[in-house]
Amino acid sequence: DAEITQSPRHKITETGRQVTLACHQTWNHNNMFWYRQDLGHGLRLIHYSYGVQDTNKGEVSDGYSVSRSNTEDLPLTLESAASSQTSVYFCASSEGGVGKNEQFFGPGTRLTVL
Amino acid sequence: AQRVTQPEKLLSVFKGAPVELKCNYSYSGSPELFWYVQYSRQRLQLLLRHISRESIKGFTADLNKGETSFHLKKPFAQEEDSAMYYCALSPGGYQKVTFGIGTKLQVIP
Repeated sequence: DAEITQSPRHKITETGRQVTLACHQTWNHNNMFWYRQDLGHGLRLIHYSYGVQDTNKGEVSDGYSVSRSNTEDLPLTLESAASSQTSVYFCASSEGGVGKNEQFFGPGTRLTVL
Repeated sequence: AQRVTQPEKLLSVFKGAPVELKCNYSYSGSPELFWYVQYSRQRLQLLLRHISRESIKGFTADLNKGETSFHLKKPFAQEEDSAMYYCALSPGGYQKVTFGIGTKLQVIP
């Protein structure tokens, strides 16, 4: 069965370190997204991609970067982790197109920056 | 730009009582509207979408273009309905989805 996975599921790191969160989907979806989920803010879009070599900034992209070298993966990198980036991170994918924008979510990564 | 508003962060109802989770949106065109649900410690999953006009787990949602609303309703709440609910809007095509901040539904036994 097709799925979307994230790793690691939990991560503790220190301020200033570079961290990469992995997202892998086997839906063969064009679109992939990264969100952070925080109490009182809901889901906020960090970065997204509509296909290989395409990346776009979301509403809270500062301090984060992504790259899309293939259809299946969209890793999220925190260049220099900050305590404000402690959050739960969700990756999602969708096929894209009219009537095809249902997003399929990964299980999430809980990141703690000390 | 599109916007989704969920005015209630927390909604508490008794088991068996009716439930209405409010969602209002702003978008000039004809959007696709969705409700996603997140049960405790689980991933978000699609509950329903307006274009399918179906009832899932007893929930329904009607798109009211005049009031720009897409409220989620269920006539009789169950304890297993306790979860976080997100309303979401897609302009359609290859465009990103905008989520509301979510409403936590707590069903009291």
